[in-house]
Amino acid sequence: AQSVTQLGSHVSVSEGALVLLRCNYSSSVPPYLFWYVQYPNQGLQLLLKYTSAATLVKGINGFEAEFKKSETSFHLTKPSAHMSDAAEYFCAVTSTGTASKLTFGTGTRLQVTL
Amino acid sequence: DAGVIQSPRHEVTEMGQEVTLRCKPISGHDYLFWYRQTMMRGLELLIYFNNNVPIDDSGMPEDRFSAKMPNASFSTLKIQPSEPRDSAVYFCASKVAGSQETQYFGPGTRLLVL
Repeated sequence: AQSVTQLGSHVSVSEGALVLLRCNYSSSVPPYLFWYVQYPNQGLQLLLKYTSAATLVKGINGFEAEFKKSETSFHLTKPSAHMSDAAEYFCAVTSTGTASKLTFGTGTRLQVTL
Repeated sequence: DAGVIQSPRHEVTEMGQEVTLRCKPISGHDYLFWYRQTMMRGLELLIYFNNNVPIDDSGMPEDRFSAKMPNASFSTLKIQPSEPRDSAVYFCASKVAGSQETQYFGPGTRLLVL
């Protein structure tokens, strides 16, 4: 069964600094990978998704992620953090074929400081 | 589009009472998912439907939980009797067919069982 591991439950960066949130997947078949963001007291919102079309995926709000098969990773980055990026971020995986359900990581809470 | 609609947004009840959570998926979406989010266990898939039929209910914690989808525009998640450990945020999500397709989340129902 597929799974994802998010390293670091809390990440703190200064405003303007690089954001790097880590996600590693474990899947026996080619995966589809997603990053979702959850702002306080809200539902999850899709940031970006990898569906094998391109290894570098650009999402909303300046975020991007690179699929690296050799490292089984799908890390989320943003060149310059903004205060409004403070939220919880979830990596998720599903497999090709008939599987329709997502398996989520445990989440990483991003704090942005002045 | 109004997005996924959930009601109520907040529910406070006493142990032993029946709780019913409601979800209206996005029109045209043929998959519906129920998730539970807690600090201890993160985001867990409880059950999902395809074309109103339950496909996988392996995440339903016990017989006290039941879910129905009587038509394409409405689903319920019922807990009877409720217990304090059921306190969580319950999310509903929907998507169209295809494993790479995005799941769209509702705002969630925050349940507190006293």
